[in-house]
Amino acid sequence: SQELEQSPQSLIVQEGKNLTINCTSSKTLYGLYWYKQKYGEGLIFLMMLQKGGEEKSHEKITAKLDEKKQQSSLHITASQPSHAGIYLCGADSRDDKIIFGKGTRLHILP
Amino acid sequence: DTGVSQDPRHKITKRGQNVTFRCDPISEHNRLYWYRQTLGQGPEFLTYFQNEAQLEKSRLLSDRFSAERPKGSFSTLEIQRTEQGDSAMYLCASSPLTDLRHFGPGTRLTVL
Repeated sequence: SQELEQSPQSLIVQEGKNLTINCTSSKTLYGLYWYKQKYGEGLIFLMMLQKGGEEKSHEKITAKLDEKKQQSSLHITASQPSHAGIYLCGADSRDDKIIFGKGTRLHILP
Repeated sequence: DTGVSQDPRHKITKRGQNVTFRCDPISEHNRLYWYRQTLGQGPEFLTYFQNEAQLEKSRLLSDRFSAERPKGSFSTLEIQRTEQGDSAMYLCASSPLTDLRHFGPGTRLTVL
């Protein structure tokens, strides 16, 4: 079965700094989702990537899918307190559901 | 588009009691998913519906768990004889296909 590993598990950065979160799959990715979750709340969809080499941006967040479609990265530029939360990657398992990584907990220091 | 809603948002119950959660999906979405998320983990798939048909159930869904979507609209998830290990966030999502962009706020269950 497909597994997703996220790194780092936890990240503390100073406000204004850039950061990167990685998601590595044990199998080829056919659809890779990034979500943000505030503590105790539901998931908020950020971006979805399908093609090798694809890159998408929304505001200060950029996500990329590597050419081999087994790894994705999420990059935040000039981090702000509003970026704090849990970032989850999810993969289309090709059998009508999404499987998730364990998440990366991001804390922003003012 | 009012989004996916879940009720209640929080539930505290004693071990052995039954609980029922409700999910109202986005109206035009055929698919409805239930996931469970424990502290420090990512969401784990429980079950999903295509309209009123329950198409797949995870091994995580023991015989104490039952889910329904009687008219292909809202769904309920019932847990009978709750155990402390059932304490988790229960998430609902809806979509037109396998493209999960719309999650509800979740129901946090605490079993004492």
